[in-house]
Amino acid sequence: DGGITQSPKYLFRKEGQNVTLSCEQNLNHDAMYWYRQDPGQGLRLIYYSQIVNDFQKGDIAEGYSVSREKKESFPLTVTSAQKNPTAFYLCASKPLAGGYNEQFFGPGTRLTVL
Amino acid sequence: QLLEQSPQFLSIQEGENLTVYCNSSSVFSSLQWYRQEPGEGPVLLIALYKAGELTSNGRLTAQFGITRKDSFLNISASIPSDVGIYFCAGQLKFNGNQFYFGTGTSLTVIP
Repeated sequence: DGGITQSPKYLFRKEGQNVTLSCEQNLNHDAMYWYRQDPGQGLRLIYYSQIVNDFQKGDIAEGYSVSREKKESFPLTVTSAQKNPTAFYLCASKPLAGGYNEQFFGPGTRLTVL
Repeated sequence: QLLEQSPQFLSIQEGENLTVYCNSSSVFSSLQWYRQEPGEGPVLLIALYKAGELTSNGRLTAQFGITRKDSFLNISASIPSDVGIYFCAGQLKFNGNQFYFGTGTSLTVIP
């Protein structure tokens, strides 16, 4: 089955600790995205990547870091510099070829910082 | 907020029709409608690419405005499993790499 997996589904961390959220896709999509969603709000872009070893900041990149060493993987690290990290994090991917502007989303990771 | 949605909340009786609106002052090259259930990722419902385009997916119908600044999503004969949050999302004409999401519409369907 092709799709996007995010792990874990729920994550708890103590304040001041860095934490890495996993995102893997087997759709052979070139572009991958990380979004943050707070209760009752829409999705806000953290980072996105169109090719391996390249990524761009979104609207709320401060306190986050990413890497794109493989096409299938786009992990997100929430650093201790992120002032309010508790949120629902969503990973998405999209093919660049074919003219399709449709994102496919993973199931999300809910991060709670205690 | 680049994309404004209305209404923010919608509560209807099963079987009724509903319409959600998405508006912006910016021009988009494409626009999509997604539905999100609690604790899950959004799922694509309809994608729109051409100005004025009208597209259906079962009981769902969406149209992209002539100016590419607005859209609506209509759901006919609502059923309880339609509940969730509906988002519009789009790519700007001058920056196709980034998606912008609307504020969301929370739908409740009363059996």
